[in-house]
Amino acid sequence: KNEVEQSPQNLTAQEGEFITINCSYSVGISALHWLQQHPGGGIVSLFMLSSGKKKHGRLIATINIQEKHSSLHITASHPRDSAVYICANSGGSNYKLTFGKGTLLTVNP
Amino acid sequence: DAGVTQSPTHLIKTRGQQVTLRCSPKSGHDTVSWYQQALGQGPQFIFQYYEEEERQRGNFPDRFSGHQFPNYSSELNVNALLLGDSALYLCASSLSGAQTGELFFGEGSRLTVL
Repeated sequence: KNEVEQSPQNLTAQEGEFITINCSYSVGISALHWLQQHPGGGIVSLFMLSSGKKKHGRLIATINIQEKHSSLHITASHPRDSAVYICANSGGSNYKLTFGKGTLLTVNP
Repeated sequence: DAGVTQSPTHLIKTRGQQVTLRCSPKSGHDTVSWYQQALGQGPQFIFQYYEEEERQRGNFPDRFSGHQFPNYSSELNVNALLLGDSALYLCASSLSGAQTGELFFGEGSRLTVL
């Protein structure tokens, strides 16, 4: 069974801090997705990766396939980064994503 | 270029009723996946449609059914609504079902069952 675990569940930071959110999964993957969900509910895809590291602006995503672990980093965090961050993987299936429960990030000014 | 659009955005139903939710995929995308997200939880996969057929299904009862039209838009139908069906229903589109490609999500339809 494909399980996806995220930590921490909740994270509060001060503006400017470096943020790390972790994701562990139990089965091999085709791809690992990092997603951002704002209070209104809409989800935005941040990264899709299957190896190594990707960077977009202040966001960095890394993945270690052998350890079945991925991390999302936010540098110089800002209050507008406040959202729920969710990781999801395809668990070897090309069709079905399994999601973590999400990490609620609050960045205070 | 319109992204993924869902309708309605909010709706309230009573137990036992039926509901239909709609999704138009991003232009050029031919695959639609539906997810249910209960409050405080991550989304759960309901099913995926490609070429007008249900390609894979999650652990949801037969009360949940769907359809994909020739223009790739999709509907999610839920019959005999239960209180526990209250959730945000998300639609995601992709190209040819590739889970190795980027997903685009709609804003969701928030269903409340009373």
